[in-house]
Amino acid sequence: NAGVTQTPKFRVLKTGQSMTLLCAQDMNHEYMYWYRQDPGMGLRLIHYSVGEGTTAKGEVPDGYNVSRLKKQNFLLGLESAAPSQTSVYFCASYRRGAHEQFFGPGTRLTVL
Amino acid sequence: AQKVTQAQTEISVVEKEDVTLDCVYETRDTTYYLFWYKQPPSGELVFLIRRNSFDEQNEISGRYSWNFQKSTSSFNFTITASQVVDSAVYFCALSEGKISGTYKYIFGTGTRLKVLA
Repeated sequence: NAGVTQTPKFRVLKTGQSMTLLCAQDMNHEYMYWYRQDPGMGLRLIHYSVGEGTTAKGEVPDGYNVSRLKKQNFLLGLESAAPSQTSVYFCASYRRGAHEQFFGPGTRLTVL
Repeated sequence: AQKVTQAQTEISVVEKEDVTLDCVYETRDTTYYLFWYKQPPSGELVFLIRRNSFDEQNEISGRYSWNFQKSTSSFNFTITASQVVDSAVYFCALSEGKISGTYKYIFGTGTRLKVLA
């Protein structure tokens, strides 16, 4: 099992460009999450999904969109990147009853 | 509202010293889970421990120990005889449980531990 994987690992964007971050899990987990980590702020929840075809907003959703067309994938989109979106992005998945989220390795995004 | 507070932003100790990282939480849930994660300089999140709200037993794992006290809403983490490899950022997190059904994590802001040789 690969667990939770994130693509890409690093990316540099210019202001206004768009991109999609891919999170994939092979554990058949129902729940998936996107967090961002900024210095001194811990990890904050952007969006989450409780099942295929459903998504919901987290604490800091502005400027992001998500989709969960397949159970194993959770995509995070930036339609028009801004320097304030420079961050490290973590994806996680969760299986009911496991009482633990499994985290991907992170994606470091820089917006110039 | 759910909240996790790690008041210590950065701690520096000399190798072999003991160090305690504090975590205080707030929640309305009667059933919840608390976690500690380590983030080494390489950046990944390393799971250390999970504790549920019904289990107040302290836990020891090698040089690591955890003290969970519901009366003070605290879940503190102690490293005994610290080593340079313990240098990392440590996060405490709270999992929402049955009330919301989303199992989201609320993270503290982290404590950066520097262990000096």
